Amino acid sequence: EAQVTQNPRYLITVTGKKLTVTCSQNMNHEYMSWYRQDPGLGLRQIYYSMNVEVTDKGDVPEGYKVSRKEKRNFPLILESPSPNQTSLYFCASSPGINYGYTFGSGTRLTVV
Amino acid sequence: GENVGLHLPTLSVQEGDNSIINCAYSNSASDYFIWYKQESGKGPQFIIDIRSNMDKRQGQRVTVLLNKTVKHLSLQIAATQPGDSAVYFCAETAGANNLFFGTGTRLTVIP
Repeated sequence: EAQVTQNPRYLITVTGKKLTVTCSQNMNHEYMSWYRQDPGLGLRQIYYSMNVEVTDKGDVPEGYKVSRKEKRNFPLILESPSPNQTSLYFCASSPGINYGYTFGSGTRLTVV
Repeated sequence: GENVGLHLPTLSVQEGDNSIINCAYSNSASDYFIWYKQESGKGPQFIIDIRSNMDKRQGQRVTVLLNKTVKHLSLQIAATQPGDSAVYFCAETAGANNLFFGTGTRLTVIP
């Protein structure tokens, strides 16, 4: 089944403790992206990648890192999480520009 | 992208009726538009898309209309069913990798 898989689905952590949210897609898509979803603010792009080793900032990149060492994987790294990063995170992939993104099921992160 | 508001617009329709969900976009350079459906606890799900060289596109029970003159997009759902209850987002892009999402409309279908 074609899908984007994120892990974990739920995560509670403490301020400052580094964490990684994994994302993998099995559709051989070139483009991958991370979004966060907050009430009243909708979905906002954090980082995106157009291909292996090619990443760029989205609208809200502060406090996040990403890497794209392989085509299928696009992990999101929070080096020092803070409470304002409490949010619902989605990974997504797309065949290219002007094609719809396929989204994962989301990771609900709480930073206390 | 669309102006962001603090309140999620809502739409309630009777089962079997048609639904129309509207979206205004602000970037006149946007050339690709998508409607997504998000059910509780799930990620956004692609419904239908339209490119700027079209003004109408039909899918199964859904139709998207694009009016570039007034920068307006609408999603029509025919014979709305309880399973259609969800939050619907429009998204736009101007040929870049970033999709700009609206804040969404919550559709509730009354059985």
